[in-house]
Amino acid sequence: ETGVTQSPTHLIKTRGQQVTLRCSSQSGHNTVSWYQQALGQGPQFIFQYYREEENGRGNFPPRFSGLQFPNYSSELNVNALELDDSALYLCASSWIGTETEAFFGQGTRLTVV
Amino acid sequence: QKEVEQDPGPLSVPEGAIVSLNCTYSNSAFQYFMWYRQYSRKGPELLMYTYSSGNKEDGRFTAQVDKSSKYISLFIRDSQPSDSATYLCAINVGAAGNKLTFGGGTRVLVKP
Repeated sequence: ETGVTQSPTHLIKTRGQQVTLRCSSQSGHNTVSWYQQALGQGPQFIFQYYREEENGRGNFPPRFSGLQFPNYSSELNVNALELDDSALYLCASSWIGTETEAFFGQGTRLTVV
Repeated sequence: QKEVEQDPGPLSVPEGAIVSLNCTYSNSAFQYFMWYRQYSRKGPELLMYTYSSGNKEDGRFTAQVDKSSKYISLFIRDSQPSDSATYLCAINVGAAGNKLTFGGGTRVLVKP
């Protein structure tokens, strides 16, 4: 186990609703990144948080937003859910000075109906 | 064109065989090259990473990078049924921290 925990593990939402996913980073890590993994595809980078601020963003619309808290945990919020938002959402924590090793949580599987 | 291309498989091999996986990439600025293993319903776990062209070995795993061809490989020797998983290559620029660009993943099935 990596020490990165995500909650909830599964959830089902209706199109148009809003959802909040949570991530607790590994002890000692100060950076959290979020990824979206559609079925049968590789993870896609959503954004990264460092020092409670967004530190880079992938090709995702503004309805995907996030927060990082002083204890380095993080939230991913998605507004106005669409069917295509159904995916596994992965959180990865790392230390900003380490260029290579990111530890992933087990993911939250979101189904939008 | 995707930045990182990976054959989706599935790749089915008998136990004990060598598994050969590869990815191609388009951005010559990429510096760090990683292989992740992902079991069903789990998050990816880091297997190996390399920085420079050449080979890196860790137990049954060998990672190979050819920057001139923009081609990376992972070899698994003496494959076991427990190696059955999806293998993801991931690359980053380095200066941007850990923002990873992943390939689509290759499913591997090792049959007893």
